[in-house]
Amino acid sequence: KAGVTQTPRYLIKTRGQQVTLSCSPISGHRSVSWYQQTPGQGLQFLFEYFSETQRNKGNFPGRFSGRQFSNSRSEMNVSTLELGDSALYLCASSLPPGQVYSGANVLTFGAGSRLTVL
Amino acid sequence: KNQVEQSPQSLIILEGKNCTLQCNYTVSPFSNLRWYKQDTGRGPVSLTIMTFSENTKSNGRYTATLDADTKQSSLHITASQLSDSASYICVVSAMDSNYQLIWGAGTKLIIKP
Repeated sequence: KAGVTQTPRYLIKTRGQQVTLSCSPISGHRSVSWYQQTPGQGLQFLFEYFSETQRNKGNFPGRFSGRQFSNSRSEMNVSTLELGDSALYLCASSLPPGQVYSGANVLTFGAGSRLTVL
Repeated sequence: KNQVEQSPQSLIILEGKNCTLQCNYTVSPFSNLRWYKQDTGRGPVSLTIMTFSENTKSNGRYTATLDADTKQSSLHITASQLSDSASYICVVSAMDSNYQLIWGAGTKLIIKP
């Protein structure tokens, strides 16, 4: 069973540019969430998608956006990049949120996309 | 405010020794608590998940405990190995309509030979 696939794994951009990151969830997982992790910081929640709808959103500026396609694949976009956007961006997939009480809603993370903004 | 605090922030121990990591939370209403292991530059991997009624759960050399009354959890690692060097993150799920996950900042564990 293939894991969560994130592309690209590494990328370098300059300030002002925009970037799109992609995430393919585990087959059968319909919930996808995105996190930002900067050095020495915990994971900061960006947003979560389920059935092509954004269910939750963290406290990030509007420059950060995402979407989910009908096949559950998700993309996130960051526009007008700033130096502080340099981070590891992690995607996680899970079964539908409604199954959380069964303990089945364990997040499975991808390896991440490491973005460096110069 | 829902919060998860972990201690210590970092820990260095010798290979073969045991250690215990702490997690205190103020999440309400509580749904479940998870421990994740994150190797440097990789995504976190789930170790355990515990609901309100569970007070201990093991996964190999990892044993997690939960005291829902005091809102504390611990992760005990037995006979540490070099491969245990990683960050360990405590995550608490709130039983709200969005099943919000509140992440701790993690404990960075270094195992020295």
